[in-house]
Amino acid sequence: DAGVIQSPRHEVTEMGQEVTLRCKPISGHDYLFWYRQTMMRGLELLIYFNNNVPIDDSGMPEDRFSAKMPNASFSTLKIQPSEPRDSAVYFCASSLSTGVGNEQFFGPGTRLTVL
Amino acid sequence: KQEVTQIPAALSVPEGENLVLNCSFTDSAIYNLQWFRQDPGKGLTSLLLIQSSQREQTSGRLNASLDKSSGRSTLYIAASQPGDSATYLCAVIAHTDKLIFGTGTRLQVFP
Repeated sequence: DAGVIQSPRHEVTEMGQEVTLRCKPISGHDYLFWYRQTMMRGLELLIYFNNNVPIDDSGMPEDRFSAKMPNASFSTLKIQPSEPRDSAVYFCASSLSTGVGNEQFFGPGTRLTVL
Repeated sequence: KQEVTQIPAALSVPEGENLVLNCSFTDSAIYNLQWFRQDPGKGLTSLLLIQSSQREQTSGRLNASLDKSSGRSTLYIAASQPGDSATYLCAVIAHTDKLIFGTGTRLQVFP
């Protein structure tokens, strides 16, 4: 398996623009997670899905952020409108299940810069 | 609220040294503890996962231990090499299914 795939790897946009980040989880994994990494706050969970259904979105910072998982092999994280403070690295991860013994595997991340 | 702390924040050592990285967490009701490696500008690579019922896991030159009752884990790196230079992150997961990450230890191994 190719692992978790994210695109784009780098995104530079101007404040106010819409940004869409994409993720393809490992085939067969039922759980998909979106994380954000910043210098100030480290790695934080934004939202996660189980079998394409959002389970916990309490980490989504504002209504400007939304995430969807239309099928088992694709998820998007959208920011509209984007702001400079959204600049961060966004990671997608997937796991077979949760609970004891279940490992999360991370994608390479998308580095977002909002000017 | 679970909090994860890693010390030291940074470490610089000569090649060949044996290293210990520390991770502590405030709530011992965890399912797993996972150690990751992150290279500059790159994603996270999972190194070891320790289940709550386990005391340690080993992979090559890496050994991770877990003392759940005291809320501590250590990552031992034997015979360090320059290629081990990276940031090492520990994370715990409990019934909330959320990985809670520490702030990391930035390791530099010089020749």
